[in-house]
Amino acid sequence: QVQLQESGPGLVKPSETLSLTCTVSGASVSRTTYYWGWIRQSPGKGLEWIGYIHYSGSTKYNPSLKSRVTISVDTSKNHFSLNLSSVTAADTAMYYCARVGSTIEFDFWGQGTLVTVSS
Amino acid sequence: QSVLTQPPSASGTPGQRVTISCSGSSSNIGGNFVYWYQQLPGSAPSLLIYRNNHRPSGVPDRFSGSKSGTSASLAISELRSEDEASYYCAAWDVSLSVVLFGGGTKLTVL
Repeated sequence: QVQLQESGPGLVKPSETLSLTCTVSGASVSRTTYYWGWIRQSPGKGLEWIGYIHYSGSTKYNPSLKSRVTISVDTSKNHFSLNLSSVTAADTAMYYCARVGSTIEFDFWGQGTLVTVSS
Repeated sequence: QSVLTQPPSASGTPGQRVTISCSGSSSNIGGNFVYWYQQLPGSAPSLLIYRNNHRPSGVPDRFSGSKSGTSASLAISELRSEDEASYYCAAWDVSLSVVLFGGGTKLTVL
């Protein structure tokens, strides 16, 4: 069974960089069929797609976040990561990682990790 | 305000059939697949319907998806208390180059 687990700081200061890692088990991030993505959900709100990456390094980002987002993949550790720079309180959210299928379906999700932006 | 429009709430009694709508445009639903996600209280979302009307293994056939033009619907038949959750539609938008999610519909089982 494919499992994903997010990890990283739960508290980030304004203007700093949010960094999260998603460790994958039961599947290889090097498999050509899939992408690996990030989605966030502000408290009490809906879902917002952040971006995704293929093991080859190809990425696709939400234009609204593109200037601040970097997603990378480490095939040796079977994980992928999210960096979001210059964070503000508006970036406070539950961050989910997910496997992305060939037609952009998010078919397996991590349990999520809450990141709060506050000084 | 989401580009994919869903009613914020829906309700039904056990055994009933309910439908949740998702309205978009030609740049998203009209020309691309629609997906539905279920988010149980306190949990991560999970894939419920993919490519308009396909169910992943393990999803009961009480759940079905359909699409017509620039709108899509999720139908839940034989409603159960455990179906109480938030439901989100999603689609790729070719104009915005973004994966769009609807605002979500909170389903209450009375």
